[in-house]
Amino acid sequence: DAGVIQSPRHEVTEMGQEVTLRCKPISGHDYLFWYRQTMMRGLELLIYFNNNVPIDDSGMPEDRFSAKMPNASFSTLKIQPSEPRDSAVYFCASKGSVSGNTIYFGEGSWLTVV
Amino acid sequence: AQTVTQSQPEMSVQEAETVTLSCTYDTSESDYYLFWYKQPPSRQMILVIRQEAYKQQNATENRFSVNFQKAAKSFSLKISDSQLGDAAMYFCAYRSLVLDMRFGAGTRLTVKP
Repeated sequence: DAGVIQSPRHEVTEMGQEVTLRCKPISGHDYLFWYRQTMMRGLELLIYFNNNVPIDDSGMPEDRFSAKMPNASFSTLKIQPSEPRDSAVYFCASKGSVSGNTIYFGEGSWLTVV
Repeated sequence: AQTVTQSQPEMSVQEAETVTLSCTYDTSESDYYLFWYKQPPSRQMILVIRQEAYKQQNATENRFSVNFQKAAKSFSLKISDSQLGDAAMYFCAYRSLVLDMRFGAGTRLTVKP
């Protein structure tokens, strides 16, 4: 299995620009999660989907953040406009209902907003 | 809300020795899952070990084992025969049945040769 695949691995962008992070969950997994990791706040759950439907987006920091899952094999996390305080590592993770209770993480997308 | 506390920001261990990382959590639920994840400098999140709350037996994975004390809401990770490759950030995580997964602040483990 290829695991959870995220892109880009690293991105540096200027403040005000739109940023789109992409994720391909493990095939067959029906839950997808977006996490953000910062020094100040640690690992935070931003949003998660079940069968492509957003279930809990209470962790999304503000309206500049949006996430979509148009199909079972693809999700995006978009930040528009980006700000320096958005600099973090963003992790996508997935889990399958029939594969146990372990959440598997992608390698993360390092975002730097200057 | 469930919270996960790792009271040791940093720990160090001599190679080949044993180290224990602490984790406590707060929950009102009776059924849940606990995890330890390892995060090396590459920033990957690697599952080390997991424990189902309904199981009394402590989970073990090779050199990694846990001491799960449900009444005390404690879930410590013991690393035996520490290796240089064990150096990383270790995160304790709690997940309820409704999938709200929470992480502790992490413990940075240094392994001295």
